[in-house]
Amino acid sequence: DTAVSQTPKYLVTQMGNDKSIKCEQNLGHDTMYWYKQDSKKFLKIMFSYNNKELIINETVPNRFSPKSPDKAHLNLHINSLELGDSAVYFCASSRPERGETQYFGPGTRLLVL
Amino acid sequence: GQNIDQPTEMTATEGAIVQINCTYQTSGFNGLFWYQQHAGEAPTFLSYNVLDGLEEKGRFSSFLSRSKGYSYLLLKELQMKDSASYLCAVYNDYKLSFGAGTTVTVRA
Repeated sequence: DTAVSQTPKYLVTQMGNDKSIKCEQNLGHDTMYWYKQDSKKFLKIMFSYNNKELIINETVPNRFSPKSPDKAHLNLHINSLELGDSAVYFCASSRPERGETQYFGPGTRLLVL
Repeated sequence: GQNIDQPTEMTATEGAIVQINCTYQTSGFNGLFWYQQHAGEAPTFLSYNVLDGLEEKGRFSSFLSRSKGYSYLLLKELQMKDSASYLCAVYNDYKLSFGAGTTVTVRA
């Protein structure tokens, strides 16, 4: 299947822990993104990479560090997790057609206890 | 800054028509998107407008007026499966800025 995939789908962890979320796309897109959707369902951009280069960093705490080993992968590492980090994290990818239409992964539901 | 407004909730009957309005005030504009998001799922692309006018795609249509900073998504012949959140988003500076979403409930 051609798609954007994320692992894990669910993540439950304790405050202070470090965790990673992985994202892969096989759509041949050049640009990948991380979004955070909070409990009020508001979807907000965190990071964007184009061909492994960071192009957007939306004032995200530096506990969040994205890494793009190649243009098909964009991972997100979170240090010292806090309660407020609980949310759904979506990965997305796009290419320059129809104004950079973005295709979203299934999401990772993170719960920090 | 970006300000994108849409109603929080709308309810309609199966078979009816619903129009979801979106107004925006953004620092730039390179297109307006509508996404559908079912509960517990990922947003999926519905429509893209960059020029003024109406874009029709099956039961769904989207309209844009750039001078008024206004768009709407029109859902016709509503089906139960159309119950979802509909997200308006403006593309500018290589990123999408989303509104808070409109939850549409379709009743039998």
